[in-house]
Amino acid sequence: EAGVVQSPRYKIIEKKQPVAFWCNPISGHNTLYWYLQNLGQGPELLIRYENEEAVDDSQLPKDRFSAERLKGVDSTLKIQPAELGDSAVYLCASSRGTSGDQLDTQYFGPGTRLTVL
Amino acid sequence: AQSVAQPEDQVNVAEGNPLTVKCTYSVSGNPYLFWYVQYPNRGLQFLLKYITGDNLVKGSYGFEAEFNKSQTSFHLKKPSALVSDSALYFCAVTYLGNTDKLIFGTGTRLQVFP
Repeated sequence: EAGVVQSPRYKIIEKKQPVAFWCNPISGHNTLYWYLQNLGQGPELLIRYENEEAVDDSQLPKDRFSAERLKGVDSTLKIQPAELGDSAVYLCASSRGTSGDQLDTQYFGPGTRLTVL
Repeated sequence: AQSVAQPEDQVNVAEGNPLTVKCTYSVSGNPYLFWYVQYPNRGLQFLLKYITGDNLVKGSYGFEAEFNKSQTSFHLKKPSALVSDSALYFCAVTYLGNTDKLIFGTGTRLQVFP
């Protein structure tokens, strides 16, 4: 079974430029997550999708960040314009989903390392 | 506030010796606890989780973790460390009613010396 796929793996841009990250979750996983991981820190949730619906985007800086998950499979996370402080690793994860009290494991992709100059 | 603490930034252990990576948590209600490992330039790999039942959970690569409710801890252990176990380890917690939102610790770097 293929894991979570992310691209690009690395991205270097100048500040004020736009950037986009792509994620393909594990087949059959309805829930998709985008996390931000700063150097020396644990991942922090940015947004969570249940199929194509964003059900938790409370931590997403909406002035410059946007995300979409058309057709409930692949997802794109965009930053426009990028700032120096956005340099970090952006991780995508997926799970089969939760139903009531049921808990399913999140599986992570390799991440995209963004450097903003 | 819900939180996870990994009190050690780095743990050093000799190959063949037992290892312990510490994790304590603070949540309201029953916790659901996870351990992930991150190798350089790789994403997080799932090791094990505690949901309910036996307090000792066995996971991948010979790792295990013990849930201790009275001490609010979930320490990761392995009886005999390998050099290849050297990596960054993250503890994470969630809880009933918030099961999709994992709260991660800051990570502990494990260094196993030959």
